[in-house]
Amino acid sequence: DTGVSQNPRHKITKRGQNVTFRCDPISEHNRLYWYRQTLGQGPEFLTYFQNEAQLEKSRLLSDRFSAERPKGSFSTLEIQRTEQGDSAMYLCASRNGLAVQETQYFGPGTRLLVL
Amino acid sequence: GESVGLHLPTLSVQEGDNSIINCAYSNSASDYFIWYKQESGKGPQFIIDIRSNMDKRQGQRVTVLLNKTVKHLSLQIAATQPGDSAVYFCAENVGDSGYALNFGKGTSLLVTP
Repeated sequence: DTGVSQNPRHKITKRGQNVTFRCDPISEHNRLYWYRQTLGQGPEFLTYFQNEAQLEKSRLLSDRFSAERPKGSFSTLEIQRTEQGDSAMYLCASRNGLAVQETQYFGPGTRLLVL
Repeated sequence: GESVGLHLPTLSVQEGDNSIINCAYSNSASDYFIWYKQESGKGPQFIIDIRSNMDKRQGQRVTVLLNKTVKHLSLQIAATQPGDSAVYFCAENVGDSGYALNFGKGTSLLVTP
């Protein structure tokens, strides 16, 4: 499968614990995006990378959230001291930044439930 | 702030009929639009896109129409099938700055036999 992959697919954690999600983009894509989606809503932008550089962060990305893409390939999203309000689907997308107006392709998402 | 929105939250159609899902956007600087399909528990799946210099684009059983005058986008699905049942989102992008897509809330399409 050459699409975007995400792991784990599901995560249940207790409030206050730290969680980390991984995203593997389509191999030739140099731009990688993280979104959050709550029930009944469209995805909301969190942050994006061009290669290993994190170029933009949304105001939704609180200090408890951190994202990395150390080698410009896979990316991780960590949430520290999770809160119940962090429960959501976390989506990763990638695109080929070399072409103008290229489509973003999404992974299957990681569904987080904070108890 | 400026946003993308959908006219109808739910749409029910009979199998074999054509479906039309509408979307309004407010950012006149938007120059690229995408329609995504999302099934329960899955990530959004690309359906079709259109650039602002186009009025219409066709794919397999799908057509996207863009009316820049009234800032309106529509997705037409021909001969709707049960497998088309999903939530459909339109998303907009402004320029090629790497900025994120701005999504609306989505329209739930239910195809009945």
